[in-house]
Formats: sequence, C-alpha cells, structure tokens
Amino acid sequence: DTEVTQTPKHLVMGMTNKKSLKCEQHMGHRAMYWYKQKAKKPPELMFVYSYEKLSINESVPSRFSPECPNSSLLNLHLHALQPEDSALYLCASSPGLAPDTQYFGPGTRLTVL
Amino acid sequence: AQSVTQPDIHITVSEGASLELRCNYSYGATPYLFWYVQSPGQGLQLLLKYFSGDTLVQGIKGFEAEFKRSQSSFNLRKPSVHWSDAAEYFCAVGARGGNKLTFGTGTQLKVEL
Repeated sequence: DTEVTQTPKHLVMGMTNKKSLKCEQHMGHRAMYWYKQKAKKPPELMFVYSYEKLSINESVPSRFSPECPNSSLLNLHLHALQPEDSALYLCASSPGLAPDTQYFGPGTRLTVL
Repeated sequence: AQSVTQPDIHITVSEGASLELRCNYSYGATPYLFWYVQSPGQGLQLLLKYFSGDTLVQGIKGFEAEFKRSQSSFNLRKPSVHWSDAAEYFCAVGARGGNKLTFGTGTQLKVEL
C-alpha cells in the first residue's frame, strides 16, 4: 500500500483565518514533505521532516507552520495567508533511507480570499 | 547542485502513436531519477525510477525509460499512447545521500483521438 492521504481536499479561507492541512501515511515511512504547487508549475519543496524532526525549511514564510506529531502524521498550520498563497498543497512521504522514493498524496486545493 | 531540463513544454500525439518525453539532468555523480505523472488537480503518481543497474527501466501503465549517462538523459517512452495518458509529466532527480527532489518544469501531453 503506497497511499498518502490528505484532508481536506478543498479549503477556502480568508486572510485572517487560521486553518490546518493534514497528511497521513501508514507505510512506516520516516520522512515526510510539504510541497506547494502553482498552476502549470512543478512542485516547490517547503518543508522536510526526517524521523519526526524538521530537517529542511526552504525559507518559507512564518505564516506557514509545519508540525509532525508522530511518524505517521504531518500537519501544516496556516495563519494570515495572502491571496498569492492560493495553490495546491501536496504532501509526500518516503522510507527515509537511500535510495529514497517519494510518494505523493492527492493534495489540498487552497484558495485564499 | 542538481538540475533537470524538460525541453518540451507541450506535446501532442495521436492515440495509438508512440511517445517519447525528453529529460536531461545535471548532477556530479549518478543520480536517482524519477518520472511522475499528474492529472489535473491531482497528486503526483510515480511512473518509474532509476537507481542503478539495468539502464532500461519498466514502469506502470506500459511506460519505460532509458538512462543514458553519456547524454545525461532519462527519456520516457511508451509504444502506444492511450487517451487516458493525457496529463502533465515531470522528470525529477534526487541526490544520493539526501532526500531532496529537483523537478523539471514538466511536459503537458495531449492525446488526439
């Protein structure tokens, strides 16, 4: 089973709202990722958690706050977003051992009004 | 730093025709190479990957890719395209010893019936 699940599928929020995106995998993977993807563009890496510790932060604004409560779960907390943050947010996971393969979830379509 | 080039932004083929999508990479050693496919509004699905060994790799949905070190290429092929293959295709390279993927800009495949 190579399934990564993401909730919600769609999210509309105002600039003053606080919301969270959730990602879950039950493959025993030890690395988890958040990507942002704008239309007609490749995914852009935001954060990497390896063994539940934040290992990569690609200079993402602080209005995006990741959290990894356990090895199966990854959250992305959103606060005071801007309309330009509207995008498809993808979660991925990988075993965490080289050679590594990332498996992606279906994404959350975020619209910021 | 690694990089990936997908020279073709759009490709249109007739159903039943053969397909080749080009991918060139830049990396100092033998990289990990991947092809992913993305249908509109969906996540990325792994088609195939190359880590080492046989340079011709088979993937899902009848796709294959060939690693050519001398040309720094990892082109994706399919002998007979189906209408359901219409999607965006991303080539990606991963560094050995790390878990960061670098994606190409993608090739949009259109299939004419």
